[in-house]
Formats: sequence, C-alpha cells, structure tokens
Amino acid sequence: GAVVSQHPSWVICKSGTSVKIECRSLDFQATTMFWYRQFPKQSLMLMATSNEGSKATYEQGVEKDKFLINHASLTLSTLTVTSAHPEDSSFYICSARISGLKNTEAFFGQGTRLTVV
Amino acid sequence: EDQVTQSPEALRLQEGESSSLNCSYTVSGLRGLFWYRQDPGKGPEFLFTLYSAGEEKEKERLKATLTKKESFLHITAPKPEDSATYLCAVGLRGSEKLVFGKGTKLTVNP
Repeated sequence: GAVVSQHPSWVICKSGTSVKIECRSLDFQATTMFWYRQFPKQSLMLMATSNEGSKATYEQGVEKDKFLINHASLTLSTLTVTSAHPEDSSFYICSARISGLKNTEAFFGQGTRLTVV
Repeated sequence: EDQVTQSPEALRLQEGESSSLNCSYTVSGLRGLFWYRQDPGKGPEFLFTLYSAGEEKEKERLKATLTKKESFLHITAPKPEDSATYLCAVGLRGSEKLVFGKGTKLTVNP
C-alpha cells in the first residue's frame, strides 16, 4: 500500500525558534501534498497545498511567511514553522495522493505533535 | 458553503452491538466521499472511497453506504480493537481538497 512517512513524530521547541517537519511518500510519487492542522477534538483543517516545483497554495487565514512550505521533489515536502509561539502548538499532519491518478484517496502521515514552550 | 457534519460525536458500544455512524454533507459538487479511521496521536488511515449515490463498500466488520446527502458507516458485531475516531471527508469536484467532519469517537467495551 501507499505509505507516507512524517518526521519527527513529536517535537518540543522554545518560543521564537523554527521547526521543520518532513513529509515523504515512500513508495509512490506525489505531485501534490497537503498540510493539515488538528486541534483536540476538532476536525483536520487544511493549511496549504504543496505543489512540486512551485509555490504552495495557502488557505485563507494561514500566514505563508510563518508556515513555509517547500516541495523540492516528487517524494518530499517540508513545513517549517518559523518563530514559533505557544499558540502554534498543535498536531500537524501531511497527506499525499498518487500522481497521475484521478479521484483517488489521500494517504496520511502519522502526524507531528508540536509543543512550543 | 461546503460542510460535513458527523453524528454522533461519541458512541459507546458493547462488543458485538452493531450500530451506524452518520456523515451528512452539503457541497457544491462531490468528487468522492472518504472514510478514515484515526487512532489517538496518529494520522488518519484510509478505509473507503464512495463516488456515487447507491454505492456500497465493505471491509471486515465495516460497511459504508452513500446517498445524495449522507453516508453511513455501519459496524457489525464490533470488537474492542475497532475503537477509534472515524472521520468522514468530502472531496470537492474540480479540486484536490478534502473537507473533513469532526469525527465520531467510537468506544467498544469488551
């Protein structure tokens, strides 16, 4: 089956520092990857759509200068939370769909728990 | 506005007690409806995709059905290992985005 690997699984950082989260598709190519944020007992909220070789598309209300996305290859997208603050603490999840296939499901990484202290 | 509503928010069942989870949606155009299972602290795990009204899919104790306005996830004779949060998501036509519901937290007691 299609596997998406996310790293790290959890991270604690100090306020003001930056944190990078990696999302890799292990056994397929993904032209497009997606980054979500999930608060406790809440739905997954799409933050941005990451496109290989081009700029990410951010959802309304998401600060693109704070959440930097890079999709340098067909198997890797990264999310960098810059100048993190406690309110950025959350569960971040990435997903990817297999390139070239329409109407297929998205596969999700295992998520990254970010705690900013 | 595109919306996905899941009910109930939480459901407790005894092992072997069958039940159904509901996902109702209001979208401008449906590309597909997706069911996922999410365990605590983990990412969602894909279960089913449904594309058109009347479609049904089964996997072990789970069966998903779709109408024009809602989907049901039927669970037959559940076991404790079926305990998880079940998420419903709608794919929008002309877009790769998914709109998620808040999920139903299922607890199956032995």
